[in-house]
Amino acid sequence: DGGITQSPKYLFRKEGQNVTLSCEQNLNHDAMYWYRQDPGQGLRLIYYSQIVNDFQKGDIAEGYSVSREKKESFPLTVTSAQKNPTAFYLCASTLGGSGYTFGSGTRLTVV
Amino acid sequence: GEDVEQSLFLSVREGDSSVINCTYTDSSSTYLYWYKQEPGAGLQLLTYIFSNMDMKQDQRLTVLLNKKDKHLSLRIADTQTGDSAIYFCAERGTNAGKSTFGDGTTLTVKP
Repeated sequence: DGGITQSPKYLFRKEGQNVTLSCEQNLNHDAMYWYRQDPGQGLRLIYYSQIVNDFQKGDIAEGYSVSREKKESFPLTVTSAQKNPTAFYLCASTLGGSGYTFGSGTRLTVV
Repeated sequence: GEDVEQSLFLSVREGDSSVINCTYTDSSSTYLYWYKQEPGAGLQLLTYIFSNMDMKQDQRLTVLLNKKDKHLSLRIADTQTGDSAIYFCAERGTNAGKSTFGDGTTLTVKP
């Protein structure tokens, strides 16, 4: 079955540490997105990529980095420069205007 | 920038109809979407409507779009306890397929 897989489901980060969240899709979608969700809030766009080897900053890109070396994969790195990383991270992909397919999310907590 | 607004909470009795409302600001929106999020999960696309349509019906779901007033609604007929979730309105503009999301409406269905 086609879909988006995010891993891990839960992730704990120590102060000053970089962590990478995985996002893989087998839907053959061109565009992929990373959103951050905080409690009681909507989704805020971190980064997006429309094609391989190209990506753009979203509304809250500071402290994050991405790569898009393969169509199927769009990993997100949360760097030590992100001062408040505790949140629920959602990866999505789309083909045309028919809406996003979301992964099941990664919950990141700073310890 | 684009903005999407929704009321935060709605409570209904099982068997009643639920109506969730949304307003948006981007007059160039091409598609408008409704997503459902259950606790700890990613978002699931429920339905969407193209901006040149007024209404779309899909089983228990009816979407109404008033493009002049930039108002979108989702009606759920015969609401069940399994419909309890957070419902997000989103719009897609003409910029790179990005969607802007509202903060979500928490629907509580009481038996």
